[in-house]
Amino acid sequence: DIVMTQSPDSLAVSLGERATINCKSSQSVLYSSNNKNYLAWYQQKPGHPPNLLIYWASTRESGVPDRFSGSGSGTDFTLTISSLQAEDVAVYYCQQYYSTPLTFGGGTKVEIK
Amino acid sequence: QVQLVESGGGVVQPGRSLRLSCAASGFTFTSYAMHWVRQAPGKGLEWVAVIPYDGSNTDYADSVKGRFTISRDNSKNTMYLQLNSLRAEDTAVYYCAKVLGDYSSPYSFDFWGQGTLVTVSS
Repeated sequence: DIVMTQSPDSLAVSLGERATINCKSSQSVLYSSNNKNYLAWYQQKPGHPPNLLIYWASTRESGVPDRFSGSGSGTDFTLTISSLQAEDVAVYYCQQYYSTPLTFGGGTKVEIK
Repeated sequence: QVQLVESGGGVVQPGRSLRLSCAASGFTFTSYAMHWVRQAPGKGLEWVAVIPYDGSNTDYADSVKGRFTISRDNSKNTMYLQLNSLRAEDTAVYYCAKVLGDYSSPYSFDFWGQGTLVTVSS
């Protein structure tokens, strides 16, 4: 199984400042035949299902604000919120869909400082 | 617009069974693989099972293999999860999720239902 490790577990960021979340996979999720990283990021607010933000590690889902960006390849990935807004308070999860069992990181809780 | 509506959750005793349903609308259900993902209270996300667009080659997390069965009825645009031999650790909100791309390739989940709560308790 591919283990996904997120860091930090939580972070507090001032409004308008940058938030950075890291995700590391125990093996590469880069598929060499198409050069795609099978890595997604989700946002989950309390009482709601997760919401897809980023797929293929860096492709923003339609309707997602451009302050959210994803980067990385192979085993190391980053989700960046360039200018934190109040509505971004949530838990963020990375997920690999390279192979089953699909696995998620443990989540990172983002709060306002 | 895409809608996924789960139903069938509730309180059940250990060892008993339950069947969850996920009614889909707003997209060509027959073209997409579908998944179940669960979330225990206050915990993270755990993938449970996948069923391809044609119902073949289902796959499960080890924690539920042999106890849970995923199925779909493409004529009813509905997916199911049969939960047998339930344990306390199966207590969770169960979400159904649609994949981003059609047919067979692996994809992330672009739509999720609101979830249905399963509580296993005596």
